[in-house]
Amino acid sequence: QVQLKETGPGLVQPTQTLSITCTVSGFSLTSYYMQWVRQTPGKGLEWMGFIRSGGSTEYNSEFKSRLSISRDTSKNQVFLKMNSLKTEDTGVYYCARDTPPLSFDYWGQGVMVTVSS
Amino acid sequence: DIQMTQSPSFLSATVGDRVTINCKASQNINKYLNWYQQKLGEAPKRLIYNTNSLQTGIPSRFSGSGSGTDYTLTISSLQPEDVATYFCLQHNSGYTFGAGTKLELK
Repeated sequence: QVQLKETGPGLVQPTQTLSITCTVSGFSLTSYYMQWVRQTPGKGLEWMGFIRSGGSTEYNSEFKSRLSISRDTSKNQVFLKMNSLKTEDTGVYYCARDTPPLSFDYWGQGVMVTVSS
Repeated sequence: DIQMTQSPSFLSATVGDRVTINCKASQNINKYLNWYQQKLGEAPKRLIYNTNSLQTGIPSRFSGSGSGTDYTLTISSLQPEDVATYFCLQHNSGYTFGAGTKLELK
């Protein structure tokens, strides 16, 4: 049974760094891409970036300068780190499994992040 | 970048109604269009991939169609459990999501 679950801090202060973990089960990270998507009040759903089954990454140019995606295959975990947070980064952050060219077949239920002082 | 325009934003329908939701791309996306259902507090669920392929386990009342820039999700006979928000995703060039359609019962 494929499962994905995001965990994160809930509240982050402006200018600080956001760290979210996506823990997966039921499949191997070395066989699938893993995507990150966020949903904000201002922009709706936005693609952030992905890590390939081989470990290389690609990022949305809008986030490229402050976003990092990595993984620990032994722990079945994928990590999102984004620095220099602003209030506009408040939203729900999702991880999703990807099997190109079919795309985004399973999602986590998301983690709410509020950026506020 | 490809833009996706989803319509309508809100939809109120009666049980048994045929419901259609549309997504229009700013350029040809070669049928690389998925549809998702999201209920409050739950993970998005893929209903349809690559325009018209039904995800395993999804009821056959859900179907997808389209080509080029115009795509449609159809629910042939609305059921109470279909109350949710629906959104599209193009994955032909990068990834762009529709803004979502909130479906409620009349």
